Amino acid sequence: QSVLTQPPSVSAAPGQKVTISCSGSSSNIGKNYVSWYQHLPGTAPKLLIYDNNKRPSGIPDRFSGSNSGTSATLGITGLQTGDEADYYCGTWDSSLSVGVFGTGTKVTVL
Amino acid sequence: QVQLQESGPGLVKPSETLSLTCTVSGASITSYYWTWIRQPPGKGLEWIGEISYSGSTKYNPSLKSRVTISLDTSYNQLSLKLNSVTAADTAVYYCARNNLPDYWGQGTLVTVSS
Repeated sequence: QSVLTQPPSVSAAPGQKVTISCSGSSSNIGKNYVSWYQHLPGTAPKLLIYDNNKRPSGIPDRFSGSNSGTSATLGITGLQTGDEADYYCGTWDSSLSVGVFGTGTKVTVL
Repeated sequence: QVQLQESGPGLVKPSETLSLTCTVSGASITSYYWTWIRQPPGKGLEWIGEISYSGSTKYNPSLKSRVTISLDTSYNQLSLKLNSVTAADTAVYYCARNNLPDYWGQGTLVTVSS
């Protein structure tokens, strides 16, 4: 039951930049902080961005987050082969009173 | 370093109860919120519910009638029980710290099948 919509896939060459959008509504992204996660199957998802645009310790500044109204965006610059993974946005939905996640985006490095 | 590890049966029969445990190291379960999340094969992440450091809970309305999350402070663990399971409950189950998680376990696959 993904309430947040992401593109299924994005791709770019090494060193290039990709952006991943996360579209929601006024009851979730429009009202609450967004987090972004990197997930390699079989491993624990890793927090990349929290509170819309903050990076945890150890996350390189190649990863950035931004918000505008009811949408959020994750940017990855200087793309590396190690960045190939699935990426998810997540936030709280104040109307549903549940955490909600995006549909997920697979990043491919060409 | 905070680490979470899910454990429990990998196979559960339909109509029975799914029971999972999450063992936490590097953080006290009495100091944070804790969340269970699942991902059915080929599908997105679904937030199951959360429990606070004091034991108060909040559940996804779609699962609320079947879910129980609890803390065991003696072992620094949290648990998930989901009763009356069906094939639709087959998923990788994750435990995580905070309701918008910062640390996750690696997940455990639970298959519902006879």
